[in-house]
Amino acid sequence: KNEVEQSPQNLTAQEGEFITINCSYSVGISALHWLQQHPGGGIVSLFMLSSGKKKHGRLIATINIQEKHSSLHITASHPRDSAVYICAVRSYHPGGGADGLTFGKGTHLIIQP
Amino acid sequence: SQTIHQWPATLVQPVGSPLSLECTVEGTSNPNLYWYRQAAGRGLQLLFYSVGIGQISSEVPQNLSASRPQDRQFILSSKKLLLSDSGFYLCAWRVPGLLEAFFGQGTRLTVV
Repeated sequence: KNEVEQSPQNLTAQEGEFITINCSYSVGISALHWLQQHPGGGIVSLFMLSSGKKKHGRLIATINIQEKHSSLHITASHPRDSAVYICAVRSYHPGGGADGLTFGKGTHLIIQP
Repeated sequence: SQTIHQWPATLVQPVGSPLSLECTVEGTSNPNLYWYRQAAGRGLQLLFYSVGIGQISSEVPQNLSASRPQDRQFILSSKKLLLSDSGFYLCAWRVPGLLEAFFGQGTRLTVV
């Protein structure tokens, strides 16, 4: 079973700061997702990565397959970025099986004005 | 385009009452469907998955059941809710063989 660890668990920063959230996992994967969960609970998919780096607006996600590690960066952070950010990995199941995602516990981010 | 609908967004139910959460997918056929739950202070955990109509696999024993009466409909049910069933329930789907998953908005269930 894949173990997914996120750090930090909680992060409070000032508006404009550069934010980094980390995710590490224990078993090789076929894909990694970064999700954003708003205070009301709704989930938004930010990125899906298999390798390298992706950028969307002020958000950047990177993954290092060899080191089993991914980072989510937010540049020029804003109070509206306040949310829980969740890392989820899809492990490789050559024999089939559940093939669902394993989720981290999330990072609770607060950006203060 | 593909979309996923999950409702309701929030639900408060008394202990012992039944539960029915529905998830429907549009714009695709024969998706793999998933129900996840996030209990307080924990990460999302896979409850059920389905690879086709009437095909349900359970990942963890619990007070809940799932059904897939139609290709793009996935229902999470309980006959009698327990306090421990409170949490955030999330439906997701993906095309078999592809990596990307798509998520519903989730349902926050509070059992009182």
